[in-house]
Amino acid sequence: EDKVVQSPLSLVVHEGDTVTLNCSYEVTNFRSLLWYKQEKKAPTFLFMLTSSGIEKKSGRLSSILDKKELFSILNITATQTGDSAVYLCAVEWGSQGNLIFGKGTKLSVKP
Amino acid sequence: EPEVTQTPSHQVTQMGQEVILRCVPISNHLYFYWYRQILGQKVEFLVSFYNNEISEKSEIFDDQFSVERPDGSNFTLKIRSTKLEDSAMYFCASSEFGRPGSYNEQFFGPGTRLTVL
Repeated sequence: EDKVVQSPLSLVVHEGDTVTLNCSYEVTNFRSLLWYKQEKKAPTFLFMLTSSGIEKKSGRLSSILDKKELFSILNITATQTGDSAVYLCAVEWGSQGNLIFGKGTKLSVKP
Repeated sequence: EPEVTQTPSHQVTQMGQEVILRCVPISNHLYFYWYRQILGQKVEFLVSFYNNEISEKSEIFDDQFSVERPDGSNFTLKIRSTKLEDSAMYFCASSEFGRPGSYNEQFFGPGTRLTVL
């Protein structure tokens, strides 16, 4: 059975800390890995990763994929209270591009 | 910035009733998706739709579910006879997937919270 596993499931840090969120996967016909941020409602797109070893950055967020070891990490530096959210990892598979989601990591950033 | 919209934001219905959830995908997108998220659980794929037909569907998407693109903008999910376990947040997503050279960055709508009593 295809699966996407995120760790930790929850994390509490203080403003200014750096966090690393993990996502491992076992998915046949892998196409890409996506990270989303989910606050109140809709998942908001952060990154799409298709190639190993190429870091994607957006401000304080960065992410990298290892297709050999089948995992990805999402780093957030100098965390702010506005980073508090559930971070979802999803793997795109097959010819139709459907996504398999992990359970998410709930990040709480305390002032 | 273009975005996916969904209506209603919250729908309450009685068990056995039919509901239609509506989505307006981003205008130049070609692939459309429905996902659901039961409270406290992970987001689950329901169905993908391309070129006016279902591309793929999950085991969850049984005969009680149907999708339609009735006009050039709306994309709907119908549940014929709702059950208590259909209570969930339903997300619509769209992407440019299908265009040559495109990637499948899926953009999600705000969701419809369906409550079945």
